Amino acid sequence: SQQGEEDPQALSIQEGENATMNCSYKTSINNLQWYRQNSGRGLVHLILIRSNEREKHSGRLRVTLDTSKKSSSLLITASRAADTASYFCATRMNNNAGNMLTFGGGTRLMVKP
Amino acid sequence: DGGITQSPKYLFRKEGQNVTLSCEQNLNHDAMYWYRQDPGQGLRLIYYSQIVNDFQKGDIAEGYSVSREKKESFPLTVTSAQKNPTAFYLCASTTTGFSNQPQHFGDGTRLSIL
Repeated sequence: SQQGEEDPQALSIQEGENATMNCSYKTSINNLQWYRQNSGRGLVHLILIRSNEREKHSGRLRVTLDTSKKSSSLLITASRAADTASYFCATRMNNNAGNMLTFGGGTRLMVKP
Repeated sequence: DGGITQSPKYLFRKEGQNVTLSCEQNLNHDAMYWYRQDPGQGLRLIYYSQIVNDFQKGDIAEGYSVSREKKESFPLTVTSAQKNPTAFYLCASTTTGFSNQPQHFGDGTRLSIL
């Protein structure tokens, strides 16, 4: 079963606009990670936020985490056509001895030039 | 450059046939994982291994088998018992003992039925 659910499933915006994707999860976590996947390729790690952190930035990416609501959001500012991809959240649960991640279903982002 | 190599990129399976997907990493990672991705879906864990000669079932292990004879290699066999094998298969690795390390992924193998 999937721990995370992402919203929206698909998002289409114009270049230069901001894109916001949300992730909800069910059980307590050690950390939450966001990954990007270009069509037909593997996943690339974007950013990791620990359960005791509330916000993290990396370039044009901003991630927030609300453990009371069991939710996270990924904001991509000033989007570019090259940001077109699928974005997945993944959670590492506290009792996870194998460093395993549980992935959400993803948000497919299309940025139109 | 360090990374994970999956081969082949495309694979076709006949009825009743077992096929093996290769995954090799030169990142010196102890933990390796196999995921299945269906179209428009997230990743589901098939098997994982934290150390050589040891591996554990994930959420959807039925119809699959793995081995971990070397640290660098974690091949996945899709057996004839897997009745719906058509999917995109991703291999990943990471360090163990550190909970805040991301997983590194290969570029996947797309398996189809002939």
